[in-house]
Amino acid sequence: DAGVIQSPRHEVTEMGQEVTLRCKPISGHDYLFWYRQTMMRGLELLIYFNNNVPIDDSGMPEDRFSAKMPNASFSTLKIQPSEPRDSAVYFCASSLGQRTTNEKLFFGSGTQLSVL
Amino acid sequence: RKEVEQDPGPFNVPEGATVAFNCTYSNSASQSFFWYRQDCRKEPKLLMSVYSSGNEDGRFTAQLNRASQYISLLIRDSKLSDSATYLCVVKGNNFNKFYFGSGTKLNVKP
Repeated sequence: DAGVIQSPRHEVTEMGQEVTLRCKPISGHDYLFWYRQTMMRGLELLIYFNNNVPIDDSGMPEDRFSAKMPNASFSTLKIQPSEPRDSAVYFCASSLGQRTTNEKLFFGSGTQLSVL
Repeated sequence: RKEVEQDPGPFNVPEGATVAFNCTYSNSASQSFFWYRQDCRKEPKLLMSVYSSGNEDGRFTAQLNRASQYISLLIRDSKLSDSATYLCVVKGNNFNKFYFGSGTKLNVKP
């Protein structure tokens, strides 16, 4: 199994530019999560999907952020326009959405975003 | 108030030492509890789940105290390779919302 695949690994851009982060979840997983990690705030949940439908986007910081999941094998997180305070590591994670008490999250390697 | 609180450390211990981390969570209706490990510049990976009765996996022991709303992780006979950040994770009463603590950094020295 290839695991969760994210691209790009690193992204350096200038303030005001559009940034698109990509994620391919593990095949068969029906939940997909986008997290952001910074030193100050740790890991924050931005949004999650179930069966390609956004369930909770309350963690999306503002309208500049948007996420889509057009099919079960692909999701994007877009920031437009980007700002320096968006600099962080963005992780995508997926899980099997069974109603068990011991659910596991599998993370991608993350995208290190730097907005200059 | 944060959903999950942890002491950021760092905990600096010699090889072979026993070290314990705690974390507290705010939502008494939380369903599931986990410890994840994160190496520098890497993604978090599941270390172990935490059961009400307590559970052990080799040198690692996890405990849950629902009454006091805290979770603990004990590492015995620390190895250099245990050096990492340990993240406490709680799954809320909203079925699939996982809340992460900010992590406790462990440095095991030779």
